[in-house]
Amino acid sequence: GAVVSQHPSWVICKSGTSVKIECRSLDFQATTMFWYRQFPKQSLMLMATSNEGSKATYEQGVEKDKFLINHASLTLSTLTVTSAHPEDSSFYICSARDWASPAYNEQFFGPGTRLTVL
Amino acid sequence: QKEVEQNSGPLSVPEGAIASLNCTYSDRVSQSFFWYRQYSGKSPELIMSIYSNGDKEDGRFTAQLNKASQYVSLLIRDSQPSDSATYLCAVVYNFNKFYFGSGTKLNVKP
Repeated sequence: GAVVSQHPSWVICKSGTSVKIECRSLDFQATTMFWYRQFPKQSLMLMATSNEGSKATYEQGVEKDKFLINHASLTLSTLTVTSAHPEDSSFYICSARDWASPAYNEQFFGPGTRLTVL
Repeated sequence: QKEVEQNSGPLSVPEGAIASLNCTYSDRVSQSFFWYRQYSGKSPELIMSIYSNGDKEDGRFTAQLNKASQYVSLLIRDSQPSDSATYLCAVVYNFNKFYFGSGTKLNVKP
């Protein structure tokens, strides 16, 4: 299957700072990537859909000014958590679809980034 | 609101038994269905996808889909302790958005 990487795998930051998380598709081009957030013992919640070359589409209740998404190339999407607060501490996971593959309907997940805001 | 329901468990089965995981969904126009396995602290990994009614088998795993009843299930035969994880059901709407259930925690006891 397609490979998706994330960087960093974990980050600890002070309250009020901004954190950038990168999501890369390593062996395919991803015109669409997805960002999820997962709190302990809960399921994945879709935050936004990242579209290459255009604005991201945010889910209801997700602040677009707080969670900045940039999808500047076909293999890279970034999520920046601005002015992070302890309640933003979570496991952030990206995924991507390989539209050129027969399995284009499947999403391949990155390994996730654990964010801890002190 | 698209809803995907799963029993949170934990579901405990002895090693070698069949584990049966169920998922129901609310929207009749759902097109694709996936089962993911997630180990603690890790991201989900795809086990199986199913698109049409009936059964789909892959090794020890069998996915079953019944669109009329709006449920999808996953059977794991010859369960192993390494199968112990949380299993997430995902339903796709509009060819794009995945909606995940809350997951069922499976414990396979040696």
